[in-house]
Amino acid sequence: QVQLVQSGGEVMKPGASVKVSCKTSGYKFTNDNINWVRQAPGQGLEWMGRIYPNNGNTVYAQKFQDRVTMTTDTSTNTAYMELRRLTSDDTAIFYCARGMGLDYWGQGTLVTVSS
Amino acid sequence: DVVMTQSPLSLPVTLGQPASISCRSSQSLVHSDGNTYLSWFQQRPGQSPRRLIYRVSNRDSGVPDRFSGSGSGTDFTLKISRVEAEDVGVYYCMQRTHWPPLTFGGGTKVEIK
Repeated sequence: QVQLVQSGGEVMKPGASVKVSCKTSGYKFTNDNINWVRQAPGQGLEWMGRIYPNNGNTVYAQKFQDRVTMTTDTSTNTAYMELRRLTSDDTAIFYCARGMGLDYWGQGTLVTVSS
Repeated sequence: DVVMTQSPLSLPVTLGQPASISCRSSQSLVHSDGNTYLSWFQQRPGQSPRRLIYRVSNRDSGVPDRFSGSGSGTDFTLKISRVEAEDVGVYYCMQRTHWPPLTFGGGTKVEIK
Protein backbone atom coordinates (compact mmCIF):
# COMPACT_ATOMS: atom_id res chain seq x y z
CA GLN A 1 0.00 0.00 0.00
CA VAL A 2 1.09 3.57 -0.64
CA GLN A 3 2.77 5.19 2.35
CA LEU A 4 4.46 8.53 2.92
CA VAL A 5 6.38 8.71 6.20
CA GLN A 6 7.78 12.03 7.28
CA SER A 7 10.59 12.95 9.61
CA GLY A 8 9.97 13.99 13.20
CA GLY A 9 9.17 17.38 14.64
CA GLU A 10 11.79 20.09 14.85
CA VAL A 11 12.36 23.14 17.03
CA MET A 12 14.34 25.81 15.21
CA LYS A 13 15.67 29.26 15.98
CA PRO A 14 14.60 32.24 13.88
CA GLY A 15 16.87 32.65 10.89
CA ALA A 16 17.74 28.95 10.74
CA SER A 17 16.89 26.42 8.04
CA VAL A 18 14.90 23.20 8.38
CA LYS A 19 14.89 20.15 6.13
CA VAL A 20 11.91 17.79 6.26
CA SER A 21 11.96 14.36 4.67
CA CYS A 22 9.17 12.27 3.19
CA LYS A 23 9.98 8.60 2.61
CA THR A 24 7.63 6.88 0.19
CA SER A 25 6.77 3.26 -0.50
CA GLY A 26 4.16 1.16 -2.25
CA TYR A 27 4.37 2.80 -5.67
CA LYS A 28 6.91 3.81 -8.30
CA PHE A 29 8.48 6.95 -6.84
CA THR A 30 9.57 8.43 -10.15
CA ASN A 31 6.10 8.23 -11.66
CA ASP A 32 4.43 10.89 -9.56
CA ASN A 33 4.97 14.37 -8.22
CA ILE A 34 5.46 15.09 -4.54
CA ASN A 35 3.73 18.21 -3.27
CA TRP A 36 4.39 20.07 -0.04
CA VAL A 37 1.63 21.79 1.92
CA ARG A 38 1.91 24.01 4.98
CA GLN A 39 -0.68 24.35 7.74
CA ALA A 40 -0.16 27.00 10.40
CA PRO A 41 -1.73 26.32 13.82
CA GLY A 42 -5.51 26.44 13.56
CA GLN A 43 -5.32 27.56 9.93
CA GLY A 44 -6.03 26.14 6.50
CA LEU A 45 -3.92 24.42 3.88
CA GLU A 46 -1.34 26.30 1.81
CA TRP A 47 0.46 24.81 -1.18
CA MET A 48 4.20 25.38 -1.21
CA GLY A 49 5.29 23.65 -4.38
CA ARG A 50 5.97 20.34 -6.05
CA ILE A 51 8.82 18.26 -7.37
CA TYR A 52 8.77 15.60 -10.07
CA PRO A 53 11.23 12.90 -8.95
CA ASN A 54 11.74 11.57 -12.48
CA ASN A 55 13.74 14.61 -13.51
CA GLY A 56 13.92 16.84 -10.43
CA ASN A 57 11.74 19.51 -12.00
CA THR A 58 10.32 21.86 -9.39
CA VAL A 59 7.53 24.43 -9.30
CA TYR A 60 7.33 26.64 -6.23
CA ALA A 61 4.59 28.90 -4.98
CA GLN A 62 5.61 32.50 -5.44
CA LYS A 63 5.37 33.12 -1.70
CA PHE A 64 8.12 30.59 -0.98
CA GLN A 65 10.14 30.92 -4.18
CA ASP A 66 13.21 32.51 -2.61
CA ARG A 67 13.30 30.42 0.59
CA VAL A 68 12.40 26.85 -0.35
CA THR A 69 14.24 24.04 -2.08
CA MET A 70 12.66 20.68 -2.86
CA THR A 71 14.80 17.70 -3.75
CA THR A 72 14.50 13.95 -4.09
CA ASP A 73 16.71 10.89 -3.63
CA THR A 74 15.53 8.22 -6.04
CA SER A 75 17.80 5.61 -4.43
CA THR A 76 15.74 5.79 -1.24
CA ASN A 77 12.42 7.02 -2.69
CA THR A 78 12.59 10.03 -0.41
CA ALA A 79 11.60 13.64 -1.00
CA TYR A 80 12.97 16.58 0.94
CA MET A 81 11.78 20.13 1.57
CA GLU A 82 14.19 22.71 2.93
CA LEU A 83 12.91 26.05 4.16
CA ARG A 84 15.43 28.79 4.94
CA ARG A 85 15.39 32.03 6.96
CA LEU A 86 12.72 30.75 9.31
CA THR A 87 10.53 33.16 11.27
CA SER A 88 7.86 32.55 13.89
CA ASP A 89 5.30 32.71 11.07
CA ASP A 90 6.76 29.46 9.74
CA THR A 91 5.63 27.55 12.84
CA ALA A 92 3.39 25.00 11.18
CA ILE A 93 2.80 21.41 10.22
CA PHE A 94 4.35 20.58 6.87
CA TYR A 95 2.83 17.77 4.81
CA CYS A 96 4.02 15.92 1.75
CA ALA A 97 1.37 14.52 -0.57
CA ARG A 98 1.54 12.36 -3.68
CA GLY A 99 0.64 13.47 -7.14
CA MET A 100 -1.07 16.60 -8.35
CA GLY A 101 -4.27 15.09 -6.99
CA LEU A 102 -2.80 14.84 -3.48
CA ASP A 103 -4.27 11.35 -3.12
CA TYR A 104 -1.98 10.19 -0.30
CA TRP A 105 -0.52 12.33 2.49
CA GLY A 106 2.26 11.98 5.00
CA GLN A 107 1.53 12.21 8.70
CA GLY A 108 2.89 15.75 8.87
CA THR A 109 5.97 17.28 10.50
CA LEU A 110 5.56 19.99 13.11
CA VAL A 111 8.19 22.69 12.84
CA THR A 112 8.28 25.14 15.72
CA VAL A 113 10.26 28.34 15.29
CA SER A 114 11.09 29.95 18.59
CA SER A 115 13.94 31.88 20.12
CA ASP B 1 -4.50 32.92 -8.63
CA VAL B 2 -7.86 31.18 -8.40
CA VAL B 3 -9.63 32.01 -5.14
CA MET B 4 -11.71 29.25 -3.58
CA THR B 5 -14.49 30.39 -1.24
CA GLN B 6 -16.24 27.91 1.03
CA SER B 7 -19.42 28.31 3.02
CA PRO B 8 -20.42 28.00 5.71
CA LEU B 9 -17.37 28.38 7.94
CA SER B 10 -18.99 26.22 10.58
CA LEU B 11 -21.71 23.60 10.18
CA PRO B 12 -23.37 22.12 13.27
CA VAL B 13 -25.29 19.01 12.28
CA THR B 14 -27.50 16.53 14.09
CA LEU B 15 -26.36 12.91 13.84
CA GLY B 16 -28.16 11.15 11.01
CA GLN B 17 -29.10 14.41 9.28
CA PRO B 18 -27.69 15.62 5.95
CA ALA B 19 -25.00 18.25 5.54
CA SER B 20 -23.99 20.34 2.56
CA ILE B 21 -20.85 22.42 1.97
CA SER B 22 -20.48 24.93 -0.84
CA CYS B 23 -17.28 25.82 -2.69
CA ARG B 24 -17.07 28.61 -5.27
CA SER B 25 -14.11 29.41 -7.48
CA SER B 26 -13.17 32.83 -8.85
CA GLN B 27 -13.03 31.40 -12.36
CA SER B 28 -14.28 28.33 -14.15
CA LEU B 29 -12.45 25.14 -13.23
CA VAL B 30 -13.01 23.46 -16.58
CA HIS B 31 -9.58 22.56 -17.92
CA SER B 32 -8.67 22.74 -21.60
CA ASP B 33 -8.61 18.92 -21.57
CA GLY B 34 -12.31 18.90 -20.67
CA ASN B 35 -11.85 17.77 -17.07
CA THR B 36 -12.73 19.78 -13.97
CA TYR B 37 -10.03 19.38 -11.33
CA LEU B 38 -11.92 20.05 -8.14
CA SER B 39 -11.29 17.84 -5.11
CA TRP B 40 -12.59 17.59 -1.54
CA PHE B 41 -10.52 16.71 1.51
CA GLN B 42 -11.49 15.77 5.05
CA GLN B 43 -9.23 16.58 7.98
CA ARG B 44 -10.28 14.94 11.22
CA PRO B 45 -8.95 16.48 14.45
CA GLY B 46 -5.25 15.78 14.85
CA GLN B 47 -4.98 13.94 11.52
CA SER B 48 -3.58 14.59 8.07
CA PRO B 49 -5.98 15.59 5.32
CA ARG B 50 -7.56 12.72 3.39
CA ARG B 51 -8.91 13.05 -0.11
CA LEU B 52 -12.59 12.10 -0.41
CA ILE B 53 -13.58 13.25 -3.89
CA TYR B 54 -11.65 14.04 -7.07
CA ARG B 55 -12.73 15.58 -10.36
CA VAL B 56 -15.92 16.94 -8.79
CA SER B 57 -17.79 13.70 -8.14
CA ASN B 58 -15.47 10.68 -8.03
CA ARG B 59 -15.19 9.06 -4.62
CA ASP B 60 -11.80 7.77 -3.54
CA SER B 61 -11.43 4.13 -2.58
CA GLY B 62 -12.78 3.41 0.89
CA VAL B 63 -14.84 6.60 1.11
CA PRO B 64 -18.38 5.85 2.33
CA ASP B 65 -21.09 6.40 -0.23
CA ARG B 66 -22.84 8.89 2.06
CA PHE B 67 -20.29 11.40 0.69
CA SER B 68 -21.05 12.84 -2.73
CA GLY B 69 -19.71 15.69 -4.82
CA SER B 70 -21.44 17.68 -7.50
CA GLY B 71 -21.24 20.93 -9.41
CA SER B 72 -19.74 22.50 -12.48
CA GLY B 73 -17.96 25.61 -13.68
CA THR B 74 -17.50 27.70 -10.56
CA ASP B 75 -20.01 26.19 -8.12
CA PHE B 76 -19.45 22.94 -6.29
CA THR B 77 -21.03 21.07 -3.39
CA LEU B 78 -20.01 18.31 -1.02
CA LYS B 79 -22.93 16.49 0.56
CA ILE B 80 -23.04 14.06 3.43
CA SER B 81 -26.34 12.22 3.27
CA ARG B 82 -26.44 11.18 6.95
CA VAL B 83 -23.78 12.59 9.22
CA GLU B 84 -22.00 10.17 11.53
CA ALA B 85 -19.80 10.97 14.51
CA GLU B 86 -16.64 10.07 12.56
CA ASP B 87 -17.43 12.81 10.01
CA VAL B 88 -16.49 15.56 12.47
CA GLY B 89 -13.61 17.63 11.14
CA VAL B 90 -12.71 20.32 8.64
CA TYR B 91 -13.48 19.93 4.97
CA TYR B 92 -11.51 21.67 2.21
CA CYS B 93 -12.07 22.03 -1.49
CA MET B 94 -9.06 22.39 -3.79
CA GLN B 95 -8.54 23.20 -7.44
CA ARG B 96 -5.67 22.21 -9.68
CA THR B 97 -7.10 23.25 -13.02
CA HIS B 98 -5.25 26.55 -12.96
CA TRP B 99 -1.96 25.73 -11.32
CA PRO B 100 0.46 26.91 -10.15
CA PRO B 101 -0.55 27.41 -7.52
CA LEU B 102 -2.87 24.71 -6.24
CA THR B 103 -5.41 26.60 -4.16
CA PHE B 104 -7.61 25.50 -1.28
CA GLY B 105 -10.80 26.84 0.16
CA GLY B 106 -10.63 28.20 3.69
CA GLY B 107 -12.29 25.14 5.19
CA THR B 108 -15.66 24.25 6.72
CA LYS B 109 -15.78 22.84 10.22
CA VAL B 110 -18.41 20.12 10.66
CA GLU B 111 -19.45 19.48 14.23
CA ILE B 112 -22.22 17.58 15.95
CA LYS B 113 -25.01 19.60 17.55
